Amino acid sequence: EPEVTQTPSHQVTQMGQEVILRCVPISNHLYFYWYRQILGQKVEFLVSFYNNEISEKSEIFDDQFSVERPDGSNFTLKIRSTKLEDSAMYFCASTRTQDHAFFGQGTRLTVV
Amino acid sequence: KNQVEQSPQSLIILEGKNCTLQCNYTVSPFSNLRWYKQDTGRGPVSLTIMTFSENTKSNGRYTATLDADTKQSSLHITASQLSDSASYICVVTAASGGSYIPTFGRGTSLIVHP
Repeated sequence: EPEVTQTPSHQVTQMGQEVILRCVPISNHLYFYWYRQILGQKVEFLVSFYNNEISEKSEIFDDQFSVERPDGSNFTLKIRSTKLEDSAMYFCASTRTQDHAFFGQGTRLTVV
Repeated sequence: KNQVEQSPQSLIILEGKNCTLQCNYTVSPFSNLRWYKQDTGRGPVSLTIMTFSENTKSNGRYTATLDADTKQSSLHITASQLSDSASYICVVTAASGGSYIPTFGRGTSLIVHP
């Protein structure tokens, strides 16, 4: 069964460093998303991406964040200068239409 | 402000029993409502998705209902199994001017005991 894959599963970084979280969406999907979940809190929408551009973004997705689809398969989330409060589980998701979203297993980001 | 409230916050039931989880929302304008199951440390898995005109949607032992007038939804789990232990998340998407923004509830933590 096709699935969304995310790497790495766990990333530890020092405050102020840049991190790139990687996702490989399901191959025939067209819509891509990033979410985050701070430990013990609810999932929060960050950004959606369609047709090689951002279609929606939340208030959380400020200038420190960027997304890119550098080739036909990868979808990345970059955090330019990480802060302690960026520590969270980051989930990538993809959909073929605006229907059931398939989530990856997440990348746990720890900023120290 | 768009909000999604779920109840109860947590629930413990015995294997084989049924249970119903509630979701109330103030999201507007409404596009769709989804229920997800999230195992600890894993990504959410989609269970059902309903649009404005749908009242009921089933997926195996999971049945979701939607009352768009009262802005309430429920997820009924029949004949619970130990593997049903997870967090169940209600997500309501607003649609406005071609944009779609999902709002997540905090989830109901379900524990099924043998």
